[in-house]
Amino acid sequence: KAGVTQTPRYLIKTRGQQVTLSCSPISGHRSVSWYQQTPGQGLQFLFEYFSETQRNKGNFPGRFSGRQFSNSRSEMNVSTLELGDSALYLCASSPGLAGVLGETQYFGPGTRLLVL
Amino acid sequence: QKEVEQNSGPLSVPEGAIASLNCTYSDRGSQSFFWYRQYSGKSPELIMSIYSNGDKEDGRFTAQLNKASQYVSLLIRDSQPSDSATYLCAVNGRNTPLVFGKGTRLSVIA
Repeated sequence: KAGVTQTPRYLIKTRGQQVTLSCSPISGHRSVSWYQQTPGQGLQFLFEYFSETQRNKGNFPGRFSGRQFSNSRSEMNVSTLELGDSALYLCASSPGLAGVLGETQYFGPGTRLLVL
Repeated sequence: QKEVEQNSGPLSVPEGAIASLNCTYSDRGSQSFFWYRQYSGKSPELIMSIYSNGDKEDGRFTAQLNKASQYVSLLIRDSQPSDSATYLCAVNGRNTPLVFGKGTRLSVIA
């Protein structure tokens, strides 16, 4: 079975621009979660989508948004980029809701975003 | 604020020794516990999950959970240089997202 895929793998943007990242989950997985990883803060939860609905949201500003399509693929968008948005953005998928006992998340390779 | 605490390390062990990685969590309602391994520049890779008190073994890895003490650990037996990585502890409760610790960096010295 193919793993979680993310595109693009690397991205360089300038302050004020916006960016869209894409994630394709493992086949059959209906939940997609997004995380931001930085050296200082570690892995921080952004949001989770299940069956095209946002189920949980982390403590990030409204500039960070996402959506999920009927085929479970997900995108996240960051508008008005700031220097502090430079990070590794990771997508993880699970068959069901991530918070349900027994559900396990599998991570994609990530998108490394650099904001100049 | 749900928190997961890990010693950042580095934890250095000689090849062949047992590496012991520890994690504490603040939310008593937590029900699922995971250990992920992350090599430098790569994404986290699941090593083990544990849901009930006690030990769970998988090859050279043993996860230990003590819900009363809010403590979960990972033992790596016969440590190899290829085990050198950052180990992330992750915890979630009922219908809540995963909360990750900041990770412990393990260095296995040949």
